[in-house]
Amino acid sequence: DGGITQSPKYLFRKEGQNVTLSCEQNLNHDAMYWYRQDPGQGLRLIYYSQIVNDFQKGDIAEGYSVSREKKESFPLTVTSAQKNPTAFYLCASSWNGPQHFGDGTRLSIL
Amino acid sequence: GDSVTQMEGPVTLSEEAFLTINCTYTATGYPSLFWYVQYPGEGLQLLLKATKADDKGSNKGFEATYRKETTSFHLEKGSVQVSDSAVYFCALSDGQNFVFGPGTRLSVLP
Repeated sequence: DGGITQSPKYLFRKEGQNVTLSCEQNLNHDAMYWYRQDPGQGLRLIYYSQIVNDFQKGDIAEGYSVSREKKESFPLTVTSAQKNPTAFYLCASSWNGPQHFGDGTRLSIL
Repeated sequence: GDSVTQMEGPVTLSEEAFLTINCTYTATGYPSLFWYVQYPGEGLQLLLKATKADDKGSNKGFEATYRKETTSFHLEKGSVQVSDSAVYFCALSDGQNFVFGPGTRLSVLP
């Protein structure tokens, strides 16, 4: 079955540490997105990519970085510059229609 | 820019009650409209969609009609169940950008 896979489901970060969240899709979608969701809140766009080797900042890109070397993959790195990284991170993809979401990664600070 | 407004939650209903969650939008042109549902600890799932005026999207007993004259896409269900407890997001796409509403939390009591 086609879909979006995010891993890991739970992730813990120590102070000053960078961590990378994985997002893989086999839907052959061109566009991919990263969102942050805080408890009881809506979605905030971090980064998006409309095509391989190109990506754009969203509304809250500071402290995050991404790469898009392959169509299927759009990893998100939460850097030590992100002072409040505890949140639920959602990856999505789309092509000429609705966005399809993964099951999310919950990041916590140790 | 484009925007989506939803009724504030939480919405609390008894089982078998009628549900309406209001959604209005602002957009240039004729966007596609979507409703997503998010169960606790999970990603967003597409619930239904409509791509042009007067289209009715439906799924799992939920319905919403694209009303261009009132720029609305209200979600309705005739008889809710405890299992419908979740957060519901209204969203639009103009082909380039996706915009999500803030979400409405629904709690259905037995």
